[in-house]
Amino acid sequence: DAGVTQSPTHLIKTRGQQVTLRCSPISGHKSVSWYQQVLGQGPQFIFQYYEKEERGRGNFPDRFSARQFPNYSSELNVNALLLGDSALYLCASSLGGQLTGELFFGEGSRLTVL
Amino acid sequence: GDSVTQMEGPVTLSEEAFLTINCTYTATGYPSLFWYVQYPGEGLQLLLKATKADDKGSNKGFEATYRKETTSFHLEKGSVQVSDSAVYFCALSDNNAGNMLTFGGGTRLMVKP
Repeated sequence: DAGVTQSPTHLIKTRGQQVTLRCSPISGHKSVSWYQQVLGQGPQFIFQYYEKEERGRGNFPDRFSARQFPNYSSELNVNALLLGDSALYLCASSLGGQLTGELFFGEGSRLTVL
Repeated sequence: GDSVTQMEGPVTLSEEAFLTINCTYTATGYPSLFWYVQYPGEGLQLLLKATKADDKGSNKGFEATYRKETTSFHLEKGSVQVSDSAVYFCALSDNNAGNMLTFGGGTRLMVKP
């Protein structure tokens, strides 16, 4: 079975541009979460979506937005990119909305902002 | 807010040495605690977890015990292998906060033959 898949794996943008990152959860998983991992640090929670509704939001500016589609895949959008947005963006999926089981992570999308 | 503090790395050990990676946490409630591992070129994987005080999580020879009195969840392994070289993250989940994990900064482990 396929795990959590993310695209693109690497991308380079310039300041002020916009980026869209995509995530497909494990088949049957209805919850998707997004995390930002700056080099040398632990992941930081950005969003959680469950059954297409936002269930949680971390301490990130409004430039960050996300959505979940009827097939449970998800997109993370970041507008007006800043140099500090350079990071590995991780998507994770789980069966339900509460962390009663395991959170499965993808390999991430590495964003470089120049 | 919730927070997790891990010992800074890198931790360099010889094969078959004993491993301890310290993790302490701050939380308002009774969180669940996790250790995740990130092998080179791979995504984060759950290594073990504990959901209440005095629970011991274990997997692949690694163990960690949920100590409420010291707010700690230290990771231990009796005999490390080269294949254990990776970055280890301690994390907690407030059981009322959905899938939100709060991670520590990570500890890189390097095991030499």
